Amino acid sequence: DTGVSQDPRHKITKRGQNVTFRCDPISEHNRLYWYRQTLGQGPEFLTYFQNEAQLEKSRLLSDRFSAERPKGSFSTLEIQRTEQGDSAMYLCASSASPTGNLYGYTFGSGTRLTVV
Amino acid sequence: QQPVQSPQAVILREGEDAVINCSSSKALYSVHWYRQKHGEAPVFLMILLKGGEQKGHEKISASFNEKKQQSSLYLTASQLSYSGTYFCGTELSNDYKLSFGAGTTVTVRA
Repeated sequence: DTGVSQDPRHKITKRGQNVTFRCDPISEHNRLYWYRQTLGQGPEFLTYFQNEAQLEKSRLLSDRFSAERPKGSFSTLEIQRTEQGDSAMYLCASSASPTGNLYGYTFGSGTRLTVV
Repeated sequence: QQPVQSPQAVILREGEDAVINCSSSKALYSVHWYRQKHGEAPVFLMILLKGGEQKGHEKISASFNEKKQQSSLYLTASQLSYSGTYFCGTELSNDYKLSFGAGTTVTVRA
């Protein structure tokens, strides 16, 4: 297994455009998380999935953001009508089921979004 | 709710020790610790569960004080490779959903 993969690594987009990011988790992991990280800050929770079910979405997340995980495998995060404030590193992480899990999250390398 | 980490930054010489603290205003189920090097993904170090023991990872160990809702990460005899930003992630209710602190940047110099 090659770990958690994210694509693209970098994305520059014009304000108002839509963007979509992809995350491929570790295949045995049924939990998948999306976080956003800005310079000098810790990862900020956006949403997470157990298999294909979206369990929670952050109240901070506007309705311009949507995430899916069809068939409980890869996930996509879409941002519509991007704004400059959306510029950040978007991190995906996966984990095995919580029960007895002592191995934490495995993070991907992230997608750096720049909105110009 | 985001945990609070302190200090924000620490500079060490090789071989020195440091302590990083993480505190929450809410009761915690577990605390995770991660290290992120510049331009890389955060990497899991260890998890401390409510009622669990102090954990260790090489010369990096951590404790969890349930009464105070605090965790501390101990860097002992620091090495150059310990440089990076350390984040604590806190879990409130056995849902394995983490809230992360703002991080503590550790710089170890020769």
